[in-house]
Amino acid sequence: GENVEQHPSTLSVQEGDSAVIKCTYSDSASNYFPWYKQELGKGPQLIIDIRSNVGEKKDQRIAVTLNKTAKHFSLHITETQPEDSAVYFCAASRGNQGGKLIFGQGTELSVKP
Amino acid sequence: SAVISQKPSRDICQRGTSLTIQCQVDSQVTMMFWYRQQPGQSLTLIATANQGSEATYESGFVIDKFPISRPNLTFSTLTVSNMSPEDSSIYLCSQRGASTDTQYFGPGTRLTVL
Repeated sequence: GENVEQHPSTLSVQEGDSAVIKCTYSDSASNYFPWYKQELGKGPQLIIDIRSNVGEKKDQRIAVTLNKTAKHFSLHITETQPEDSAVYFCAASRGNQGGKLIFGQGTELSVKP
Repeated sequence: SAVISQKPSRDICQRGTSLTIQCQVDSQVTMMFWYRQQPGQSLTLIATANQGSEATYESGFVIDKFPISRPNLTFSTLTVSNMSPEDSSIYLCSQRGASTDTQYFGPGTRLTVL
């Protein structure tokens, strides 16, 4: 079955710097890759997603890139702010063809003012 | 996005008892799921809640321990039965629409078993 590896497990940056979180997946049939942000005491919030027919997607300070050949995808956060501090999870699935979301282990991002 | 509510938001329970968690979604979505998130860990799928029929469980999860109901398209319950301290986790309800990949999560139920 699908396996998703996520790195790093913790990441500390200064406010204004960029943060990059990387994930690799094993199932070549996976075609949907969402990213979730989980703040303390809350449920995971979908922040951006990408499908396998696209190599990059941006939404303001957040971007996701996908390399299907290498089976890895990354989350990029620019101009980080203290409110970006949270745990971020990547996931992969075969999409709406009955796919189940398989999650990475999570990255705890700390943005220091 | 989606509006998903869960009750209770948290609970502290005694070993050997059972707790039923409720999940309400705001639209007639096709798929509802239940996840477990152990302390400091990632999310693990427990089962897919099927409307009007038995849930589909993932490896390592059984109906006797985690009975699930879904009487209609917008409501589901998860029961954690005969609880032990190892069941202390966050339990999350999730939903996905009929023709989309996009999946949303509820706020979670934080369970502590003493």
